[in-house]
Amino acid sequence: KQEVTQIPAALSVPEGENLVLNCSFTDSAIYNLQWFRQDPGKGLTSLLLIQSSQREQTSGRLNASLDKSSGRSTLYIAASQPGDSATYLCAVFNTNAGKSTFGDGTTLTVKP
Amino acid sequence: EAQVTQNPRYLITVTGKKLTVTCSQNMNHEYMSWYRQDPGLGLRQIYYSMNVEVTDKGDVPEGYKVSRKEKRNFPLILESPSPNQTSLYFCASSLTGAYTGELFFGEGSRLTVL
Repeated sequence: KQEVTQIPAALSVPEGENLVLNCSFTDSAIYNLQWFRQDPGKGLTSLLLIQSSQREQTSGRLNASLDKSSGRSTLYIAASQPGDSATYLCAVFNTNAGKSTFGDGTTLTVKP
Repeated sequence: EAQVTQNPRYLITVTGKKLTVTCSQNMNHEYMSWYRQDPGLGLRQIYYSMNVEVTDKGDVPEGYKVSRKEKRNFPLILESPSPNQTSLYFCASSLTGAYTGELFFGEGSRLTVL
């Protein structure tokens, strides 16, 4: 059974700092991996989608990498801002098409 | 505006009283899925649908039913709700199946079963 782990569970940084969030998964037979952002009381917003054949994706200040063989992904946030404060979740979509497994998330606080 | 709409957003009900949480998307997406989110347990998949009339179980399907009679709608049915189904529920959709496209989520439905 696929398991997804995110470390750290919480992170607090000063504004302007670059940071890395980690996601690991146990079964490398995945179709893709997605990073999401969740604000309190809100739904999830997709940030980046990496197909299994890709190594990384970039969007603005965000860069996500994928190493399928080691079962790891990282989300790099450059020049963090208070508006980046949220919970970040990663999810893998398994080769049993349609099934997905989410991590518990990393709650990020960026202090002005 | 492209969106996934869930109703109701908030609901308090009693044990055993059947309820339906509706989910509708206006993006002509083939794939739809239901999740529940609980503190300490994260987001878990309940049911998903790859297309009309095609549904399958996720990791926690017990106590739930779904149907996909038309592409835009994917209701979640609790035939006899119990307190352990108190949770935050999310519906999501994707263009051509989860393994090819990004997921779009609804705003969530907070359900309390007394």
